[in-house]
Amino acid sequence: GAVVSQHPSWVICKSGTSVKIECRSLDFQATTMFWYRQFPKQSLMLMATSNEGSKATYEQGVEKDKFLINHASLTLSTLTVTSAHPEDSSFYICSAKAGGDNYGYTFGSGTRLTVV
Amino acid sequence: QKEVEQDPGPLSVPEGAIVSLNCTYSNSAFQYFMWYRQYSRKGPELLMYTYSSGNKEDGRFTAQVDKSSKYISLFIRDSQPSDSATYLCAMSPGGGNKLTFGTGTQLKVEL
Repeated sequence: GAVVSQHPSWVICKSGTSVKIECRSLDFQATTMFWYRQFPKQSLMLMATSNEGSKATYEQGVEKDKFLINHASLTLSTLTVTSAHPEDSSFYICSAKAGGDNYGYTFGSGTRLTVV
Repeated sequence: QKEVEQDPGPLSVPEGAIVSLNCTYSNSAFQYFMWYRQYSRKGPELLMYTYSSGNKEDGRFTAQVDKSSKYISLFIRDSQPSDSATYLCAMSPGGGNKLTFGTGTQLKVEL
């Protein structure tokens, strides 16, 4: 089945630094990738949708200059949290989808970010 | 009002029980319905999916969609401790649009 690899699985960084999270589709071409944020015991909150070669579409209230998304190839998307602060600490999850498949949303294993 | 409503639980049942998980929604454009299982600190994994109204069965799991009532269900028969997880319903209009998730129901199956 479709596999999405997300790295790192956890990261601790200092306030003010930037952190990059990678999301790779291993055995399919992901025309669309989604980035979510999840707080403890809460559902997934969609942050942005990215299509290969295009600028990401951010959900209302998500700062695009803070959460930089790059989807330069059909198998790789990255989320960079810039100038991280403790309130950015959360669980970030990516999802990748091949074109033409209405069910094929495959999720990565998530990245737990802790900003100290 | 949220587009998708789901009781967050927690729901605790004894091993072997039949579990019923439900979601209601308000957007009549939703055509594709999915159930995801998420273990703690892991990404969601697709469990069941259905299109429009109807039932679908896969092993111990049955998914039901009633579009007239805007209500979907997931039934788990002979529940096992390994079923303990958070179950998220998700839906979309199709065409590659984003998924809209419920809040998730935390399930615990006890020995």
